Amino acid sequence: EVQLVESGGGLVQPGRSLRLSCAVSGFTFDDYAMYWVRQAPGKGLEWVSGISWNSGRIGYADSVKGRFTISRDNAKNSLYLQMNSLRAEDMAFYYCVKGVGSGWNGLVPDFDSWGQGTLVTVSS
Amino acid sequence: QTVVTQEPSFSVSPGGTVTLTCGLSSGSVSTSYYPSWYQQTPGQPPRTLIYSTNSRSSGVPDRFSASILGNKAALTITGAQADDESDYYCVLYLGSGISVFGGGTKLTVL
Repeated sequence: EVQLVESGGGLVQPGRSLRLSCAVSGFTFDDYAMYWVRQAPGKGLEWVSGISWNSGRIGYADSVKGRFTISRDNAKNSLYLQMNSLRAEDMAFYYCVKGVGSGWNGLVPDFDSWGQGTLVTVSS
Repeated sequence: QTVVTQEPSFSVSPGGTVTLTCGLSSGSVSTSYYPSWYQQTPGQPPRTLIYSTNSRSSGVPDRFSASILGNKAALTITGAQADDESDYYCVLYLGSGISVFGGGTKLTVL
């Protein structure tokens, strides 16, 4: 069974940093692209970032480019999102998402399985 | 800035058929945008329905189908059931590793 478990969320002040992690199991992690998608409370989904199986392809939404960094450790079956210079508008549930493919032909939004999400609250 | 458009709300009668659409603020949606569709009920993470235009995700009933209709991507639900009442989101690939979600459609079954 595919499992995606996010952690690292919490309350953080504006301008500070936070690192999210996603521990996966139930599939061969380094065969698949991975993504982060967020959802502000009561709002719609927002694609944040994606990374191919070997980290050779990486993409970011304009809203987070230059502030967020996605990475993965295939040896540890883990996905990460380093979030710097956090703003109030970054407050959201952050979902770790498994891709259908490896991302070798582009980080297309073929999402497969979703984690339960971790809540990031940005407030002073 | 490219905006992905969806109907804010839609309603369908039980047993009926409904088609939700996903468009672009400028231009036409094609298979090159790899449209995908997700269902979400309150308090739950999204569930994948369809990816790459019309590939049904594992376990999704064939009441859910998708295609390109005219200049938009479309999700069709046939034989609507009460538990189809959810928010439906589409997402499009804009290239250069970037994707954008639509604002979502709130589907009511009544």
